[in-house]
Amino acid sequence: AQSVTQPDIHITVSEGASLELRCNYSYGATPYLFWYVQSPGQGLQLLLKYFSGDTLVQGIKGFEAEFKRSQSSFNLRKPSVHWSDAAEYFCAVNPGSSNTGKLIFGQGTTLQVKP
Amino acid sequence: KAGVTQTPRYLIKTRGQQVTLSCSPISGHRSVSWYQQTPGQGLQFLFEYFSETQRNKGNFPGRFSGRQFSNSRSEMNVSTLELGDSALYLCASSLGQGHDEQYFGPGTRLTVT
Repeated sequence: AQSVTQPDIHITVSEGASLELRCNYSYGATPYLFWYVQSPGQGLQLLLKYFSGDTLVQGIKGFEAEFKRSQSSFNLRKPSVHWSDAAEYFCAVNPGSSNTGKLIFGQGTTLQVKP
Repeated sequence: KAGVTQTPRYLIKTRGQQVTLSCSPISGHRSVSWYQQTPGQGLQFLFEYFSETQRNKGNFPGRFSGRQFSNSRSEMNVSTLELGDSALYLCASSLGQGHDEQYFGPGTRLTVT
């Protein structure tokens, strides 16, 4: 069965430090991959997506992610974290069917930013 | 362009009651998906509607149902509420192709007592 794993439930980084959030997926083919962010009491906001092509994708708010087929990973990175980045981050997979928008989400990683 | 709206934002119901949640997608979007978010189970797919037809369904009991209207607005209904149905219910809309970005609404917080 398709699945998404975010190994880190909680991460704390200092403001200005770099960030990497891990995501691994289990799927036979190349899926459509997404990263979303959720602030407390809010819905999910799309940060970036990968469908095909360049394996390094740029998103909003200075985030980027790299797709590595050999590792079945799609890790999210940011060079310098801001206090406003504190939120919960979700990696998601659409298995790639053209007739469904169903997303499978990881369990999420909560990011805390220290001043 | 207005985002995805969900009503109501908060709801408190008693066990055994039923509830209807509403979702208005972004203008022009034809697909609406529903997700349940709980601390224990995370984000789980409920169902997806496209052009008034259910296109996909998650692994939830039949107490959970939905529909989509001709204007793409969607409702989901939960009958015979259980305590475990307390959750944040999120609606997402997209143009309709599987790989399209999904835009989420703020959610409806349902509390069952």
